[in-house]
Amino acid sequence: EPEVTQTPSHQVTQMGQEVILRCVPISNHLYFYWYRQILGQKVEFLVSFYNNEISEKSEIFDDQFSVERPDGSNFTLKIRSTKLEDSAMYFCASSSGQISGNTIYFGEGSWLTVV
Amino acid sequence: AQSVAQPEDQVNVAEGNPLTVKCTYSVSGNPYLFWYVQYPNRGLQFLLKYITGDNLVKGSYGFEAEFNKSQTSFHLKKPSALVSDSALYFCAVRDWNDYKLSFGAGTTVTVRA
Repeated sequence: EPEVTQTPSHQVTQMGQEVILRCVPISNHLYFYWYRQILGQKVEFLVSFYNNEISEKSEIFDDQFSVERPDGSNFTLKIRSTKLEDSAMYFCASSSGQISGNTIYFGEGSWLTVV
Repeated sequence: AQSVAQPEDQVNVAEGNPLTVKCTYSVSGNPYLFWYVQYPNRGLQFLLKYITGDNLVKGSYGFEAEFNKSQTSFHLKKPSALVSDSALYFCAVRDWNDYKLSFGAGTTVTVRA
């Protein structure tokens, strides 16, 4: 079964450093997402991406964050100048369509620890 | 705005007994409802969804869910729970015109042998 793959599975970084989380969405999917889950809290939407541009973003997704699809397969989340409160599990996801009934498939997550 | 509530933080059942995980939702239009499961140190796995049609939806691993429009609920059920069903379960909703999923807080299910 096709799946979304994410790297790294776990990253520890110093506060103030830049982090790039990488994702390979399911190959025929066209819509890409990042969600995050702070320990003990809800899974929260960050951003959706289609046709090489952001289609929607949450209030969490401020100027500290950016997304990019640098080639035909990868989808990345960059976090500039990381803060302690950025520590969370970050999930990449993809779907074949963006109508509400389409299933969004998630990766295994990248656990980011900011120290 | 769309939202989901999972009223129980934890559900404990004995193996072989029925399992129910509750979910209620709020949307402005027609809801699209999903259940995901998260095993320890793993990602979110899709279980099932309701879009339209039959109110009883069947999904992976023997799970099913019943959509009830009048009660705005979408409870997850399994007739006979297994120890391997122990995990964190998330209900999620998408409004008809929204790109994003809104998740509930999650319910931890523990099935004891």
